[in-house]
Amino acid sequence: DTGVSQDPRHKITKRGQNVTFRCDPISEHNRLYWYRQTLGQGPEFLTYFQNEAQLEKSRLLSDRFSAERPKGSFSTLEIQRTEQGDSAMYLCASSLFRLGINTEAFFGQGTRLTVV
Amino acid sequence: QKEVEQDPGPLSVPEGAIVSLNCTYSNSAFQYFMWYRQYSRKGPELLMYTYSSGNKEDGRFTAQVDKSSKYISLFIRDSQPSDSATYLCAMTQFISSGNTGKLIFGQGTTLQVKP
Repeated sequence: DTGVSQDPRHKITKRGQNVTFRCDPISEHNRLYWYRQTLGQGPEFLTYFQNEAQLEKSRLLSDRFSAERPKGSFSTLEIQRTEQGDSAMYLCASSLFRLGINTEAFFGQGTRLTVV
Repeated sequence: QKEVEQDPGPLSVPEGAIVSLNCTYSNSAFQYFMWYRQYSRKGPELLMYTYSSGNKEDGRFTAQVDKSSKYISLFIRDSQPSDSATYLCAMTQFISSGNTGKLIFGQGTTLQVKP
């Protein structure tokens, strides 16, 4: 397994357009997380899934944001009607949750979004 | 006030120096503590993962957790130019009714090791 994979690595879009990012977690990991990181800041939690269920969403995740993990494997994050304030690095991470214990999370390389 | 505080630096040291990176936190429920290294325009890479208080060593890296002071540290011995990166501390709670694994990060400290 090559780790967490994210696609695309970089996306430039015009304000008002919709964008979709994909994340493929480590294959045996049942938890998948999305974070957002702006320049000079640490990553901030957006949402997470356990298998196909979305269990928590941050208040940072406005109505323009939607995430899915339909088969409990890969996940997509869609941003509708993008705004310049959405420009950031979007990071995906995965971990294994078993018997009440969550293992360490491993991150992908991120998708850098630039809204012009 | 942020839940996790980390001095953003930048921190500049000569090659071979011992580096000390620190974070403080306010939430006493945090029990799992991590250090990630992040190179420019890359994703965070897990360096150290510790549970509760104590020390953990891995090669040139040592992580310390002092829960009584709500203070964690990462020491890098014999620092190398390749250690130049941003170091992020992260932590998470264990909740008996469910462990989300959601990470709370510090701002990150930028380290430069000069040859």
